Amino acid sequence: KAGVTQTPRYLIKTRGQQVTLSCSPISGHRSVSWYQQTPGQGLQFLFEYFSETQRNKGNFPGRFSGRQFSNSRSEMNVSTLELGDSALYLCASSWDRGAYNEQFFGPGTRLTVL
Amino acid sequence: GENVEQHPSTLSVQEGDSAVIKCTYSDSASNYFPWYKQELGKGPQLIIDIRSNVGEKKDQRIAVTLNKTAKHFSLHITETQPEDSAVYFCAASAYYGKLTFGQGTILTVHP
Repeated sequence: KAGVTQTPRYLIKTRGQQVTLSCSPISGHRSVSWYQQTPGQGLQFLFEYFSETQRNKGNFPGRFSGRQFSNSRSEMNVSTLELGDSALYLCASSWDRGAYNEQFFGPGTRLTVL
Repeated sequence: GENVEQHPSTLSVQEGDSAVIKCTYSDSASNYFPWYKQELGKGPQLIIDIRSNVGEKKDQRIAVTLNKTAKHFSLHITETQPEDSAVYFCAASAYYGKLTFGQGTILTVHP
């Protein structure tokens, strides 16, 4: 069974640009969560989507947004990039069966903002 | 919001020794506590988890304990091997889809 896939794996952008990252969940998983990982702040929750609806959101500015498609694939967008947005962006998928919340992570997209 | 504290930040052991990593959480609504292992260049890998209605869970050399009253949970790795070297994260969840992570523990197992 294929795991979570993320594209692209590496990305270099300049300040002020915008970027879109893509995540394909494990087949059958309907929940997709996004996290930002940096050396200083660690792993921080961005948002979670289930059945094309955002159910949960972390404490990030409105420049960070996302969406989920009917096939459960998800994208996140960061507009007006800042140097501090350089990070590893991880997505995780889960079955979302009641209290079960096992999340399986993809390899991440390494974003560098110059 | 939820806060998860993880200790120690680094842990160095000899092959064959045991390793223990401890976490505390703040939100009493948290009911799910996974542990992840992250190797260089990879995403976090789920290694074991425990739910709030269970006090202990074991999977071969790995065990996790949970003390809901004290809001503590711990990871125990026995008979450590060099391939156990990685960064380990604890996490807590009170809401669907949202994990709050500890700061991570760099475990080094010396042959």
